[in-house]
Amino acid sequence: AQKITQTQPGMFVQEKEAVTLDCTYDTSDPSYGLFWYKQPSSGEMIFLIYQGSYDQQNATEGRYSLNFQKARKSANLVISASQLGDSAMYFCAMRDFEGSEGGATNKLIFGTGTLLAVQP
Amino acid sequence: EADIYQTPRYLVIGTGKKITLECSQTMGHDKMYWYQQDPGMELHLIHYSYGVNSTEKGDLSSESTVSRIRTEHFPLTLESARPSHTSQYLCASSESRGAPNEKLFFGSGTQLSVL
Repeated sequence: AQKITQTQPGMFVQEKEAVTLDCTYDTSDPSYGLFWYKQPSSGEMIFLIYQGSYDQQNATEGRYSLNFQKARKSANLVISASQLGDSAMYFCAMRDFEGSEGGATNKLIFGTGTLLAVQP
Repeated sequence: EADIYQTPRYLVIGTGKKITLECSQTMGHDKMYWYQQDPGMELHLIHYSYGVNSTEKGDLSSESTVSRIRTEHFPLTLESARPSHTSQYLCASSESRGAPNEKLFFGSGTQLSVL
C-alpha cells in the first residue's frame, strides 16, 4: 500500500535561515507524483511544489526546492531564507495513479504533516 | 488563484441535527473531493466525484453523503450529526486532464463541532 511518512512533528528555524522538512514515501508503482502543500492557521491548503517520479531534475519554485532521492524514496522540502509568514503546517502528499473510469483518480495520500515555526 | 469556496467557515451544532456543508468552484473543474482532517493529523479522502452525477466513497469510511447535480457544486450532508463527526472538512477540485502534475485546489475548510 502507498504511504507517506513525515517524521518531524514540529520544527523551529530562525528567520532568514534554510530549513529542510523530511518526507519519505512507499509505493510499488513506478509512476507517481509527489506534492508539498502548506496549511497556514487559516486552514486552506496551498500548493507549493510538485515532483514527478520520472523527472530528471529536482523541482524548484522560488524559495522552495524539492530534494528528490528516488533510491531512498525521499522527497524533502527545502525552504531557503525562511520568513515569518512561512510558519504553518506542511504536508507531503503522493498522487495515487490508480486508473478508473478513463483516467487516474488523482487521489492524494497525505502525510501527518510538520509544523514549522519561524522565529524572528 | 483558486476559486473554490466553502461555507460555513465554522459550524457548531447539536447532536442529531441534519447539516449540509457547501462547496462551490468557479473553475469548471470536473473532479471534486472532500477530505476530513482531525487536528494535527493528515487529510483523509471521504468522497470524490469525476463529474455530474458521479460520486464515489473515499478511503476513509464516512457517514456523510454527497451529491453532484451541477459541475460547480459538491455539497456534503450529514443526516444526523454526532460528536464523532467533529472535524475539519476540506473541499478540493482539479481539472480532468490527467496530467501527472495535476494539482488540487482547496477551499478554506469548514470546522464542524458537534456538541
